[in-house]
Amino acid sequence: EIVMTQSPATLSLSPGESATLSCRASQSFDSNYLSWYQQRPGQPPRLLIYGASTRATGIPARFSGSGSGTGFTLTISSLQPEDFAVYYCQQDYNLPPTFGGGTKVEIK
Amino acid sequence: QVQLVQSEAEVKKPGSSVKVSCRTSGATFTSYGFSWVRQAPGQGLEWMGGIIPMYGTANYAQKFQGRVTITADESTTTTYMELSSLKSEDTAVYYCARGGISSRYWYFHLWGRGTLVTVSS
Repeated sequence: EIVMTQSPATLSLSPGESATLSCRASQSFDSNYLSWYQQRPGQPPRLLIYGASTRATGIPARFSGSGSGTGFTLTISSLQPEDFAVYYCQQDYNLPPTFGGGTKVEIK
Repeated sequence: QVQLVQSEAEVKKPGSSVKVSCRTSGATFTSYGFSWVRQAPGQGLEWMGGIIPMYGTANYAQKFQGRVTITADESTTTTYMELSSLKSEDTAVYYCARGGISSRYWYFHLWGRGTLVTVSS
């Protein structure tokens, strides 16, 4: 199976700052099969980005995704209070679909 | 508006089984992929398996093979996940998640609110 590794595990930032989250895959795959999710405490995950760079319905433009092959990035420009959460990347190129371990974006 | 409505929390004894349901309201059911993803306390997301009701057969993560059964009932637009031989390590929130159509079944546009399963003697 494809192993997804996220870094850093925790990112401590202030509101208004930008966040850069990384996701690495154990093997290369088509970027169309890379998604990002946000999970706030006590809530289910929410799809943010699919196809590596396409925002899901209703997702603000401050969220952007990029990358290809084995390396992918989620960027959040100008963090808002509601953006402090855990973020997961996921591949669905191969079964089983696999998630990264998550990056927690916390308030500094 | 499409929603995934999951069954209520369960408390189970070690060695027993649990069956969690997920009803889809307000949308076409058979063409989508439905998965079960679990999250142990303080941990990340783990895909257990999924089903495409139109085809009827389920796919399972190797870790859960032989212990999990995922089914779908088109008449009630409900999917089910049954996990047997429960251990304390199975204590987790179990999410139902809907994927897409046309082979893009396994990334998840829509999630249920989760069902907490506690395994304790």
